[in-house]
Amino acid sequence: GENVEQHPSTLSVQEGDSAVIKCTYSDSASNYFPWYKQELGKRPQLIIDIRSNVGEKKDQRIAVTLNKTAKHFSLHITETQPEDSAVYFCAASSGNNRLAFGKGNQVVVIP
Amino acid sequence: DVKVTQSSRYLVKRTGEKVFLECVQDMDHENMFWYRQDPGLGLRLIYFSYDVKMKEKGDIPEGYSVSREKKERFSLILESASTNQTSMYLCASSFRGPGGYTFGSGTRLTVV
Repeated sequence: GENVEQHPSTLSVQEGDSAVIKCTYSDSASNYFPWYKQELGKRPQLIIDIRSNVGEKKDQRIAVTLNKTAKHFSLHITETQPEDSAVYFCAASSGNNRLAFGKGNQVVVIP
Repeated sequence: DVKVTQSSRYLVKRTGEKVFLECVQDMDHENMFWYRQDPGLGLRLIYFSYDVKMKEKGDIPEGYSVSREKKERFSLILESASTNQTSMYLCASSFRGPGGYTFGSGTRLTVV
């Protein structure tokens, strides 16, 4: 089955700087890649996703890039703010209705 | 606003008890999932269901069973609760095909 890995496990950034989280996946048939944000004590929420027919997608301060050849995709957060502090999960799906999740990254934005 | 509702936010049960965790979604989603979340281990899939009365094992099904008698409801059953099942349990649902999940708020279960 699909195996998704995230790096780094913890990321600390100064407020206003950019944060980048990278995920790799193993199944070349995977075609859908969502990112979830989980604030402390809350449910994971979908913040952005990308399908394999595009290489990049942006939504205000967040963007996701996909490199199908290398089988990795990344989340970019620009101009980080304290409310960006959370655990971020990446996931991949090869069309079988099931997402394989990474273990999550703790992002800490230092004011 | 679309919703996935889990019946309990916090639950404390005794070792050996049979425990029912309920999840209801109002989005007419075909797929429903049960995960447990533990520090450092991420989200681990217990069971999932693609349709009413259908169920498939996830990565860690031992000690659990599920029931899906109606499309909107997916129940997780701990047959005989043990202390190593103390965890946060998250329900999720989605439409058929590759797409994002909507998660419930979670049930924090403590087995004493």
